[in-house]
Amino acid sequence: AQKVTQAQTEISVVEKEDVTLDCVYETRDTTYYLFWYKQPPSGELVFLIRRNSFDEQNEISGRYSWNFQKSTSSFNFTITASQVVDSAVYFCALSEAGTGFQKLVFGTGTRLLVSP
Amino acid sequence: DTGVSQDPRHKITKRGQNVTFRCDPISEHNRLYWYRQTLGQGPEFLTYFQNEAQLEKSRLLSDRFSAERPKGSFSTLEIQRTEQGDSAMYLCASRSDYYNEQFFGPGTRLTVL
Repeated sequence: AQKVTQAQTEISVVEKEDVTLDCVYETRDTTYYLFWYKQPPSGELVFLIRRNSFDEQNEISGRYSWNFQKSTSSFNFTITASQVVDSAVYFCALSEAGTGFQKLVFGTGTRLLVSP
Repeated sequence: DTGVSQDPRHKITKRGQNVTFRCDPISEHNRLYWYRQTLGQGPEFLTYFQNEAQLEKSRLLSDRFSAERPKGSFSTLEIQRTEQGDSAMYLCASRSDYYNEQFFGPGTRLTVL
């Protein structure tokens, strides 16, 4: 069975601080995908990144960076120099790879509050 | 805008009534998913369509729930004899055959009184 754990329920930071959101996953699949989504107060889930299990290269996109470590089954997300607009709930998700229907299994989310 | 759209955005109903939600996926996406999200939780998978075929249903989808995707375009999710426990956000997502990321609509928030 697949499982995603986001142990941090809520994180509060002051603008310009760096913040890391943790994600730990469990799967028996040898190939899989990992995702991060952002859910702002409006409610719509916004896709941020997809990572293939066979690609452990870390990725940076502007102020966002992701650290994928297969050895510890973790896929952590760092926001550098946080801004008020980063305030949202962030979800980590996992899906099988291959020819299956690839449903997403989500964690419970981490609420990030960035204050000015 | 060619994103996923859902209608209505909000629905308030009395217990025992039937409700129907609609999802219009991104036009070239032939894969469509329904999820349900309750307060403080992540979305949970309900059902999956590939074109017009419903290929997977979660155990969460009781016999009061039915979903269709006629002609492989828009999809509907119907809940019969609603219960207070059905109150949630119902999210629709779509994806293409070539990319694995799912794109979500704004959701329909259902409140059962």
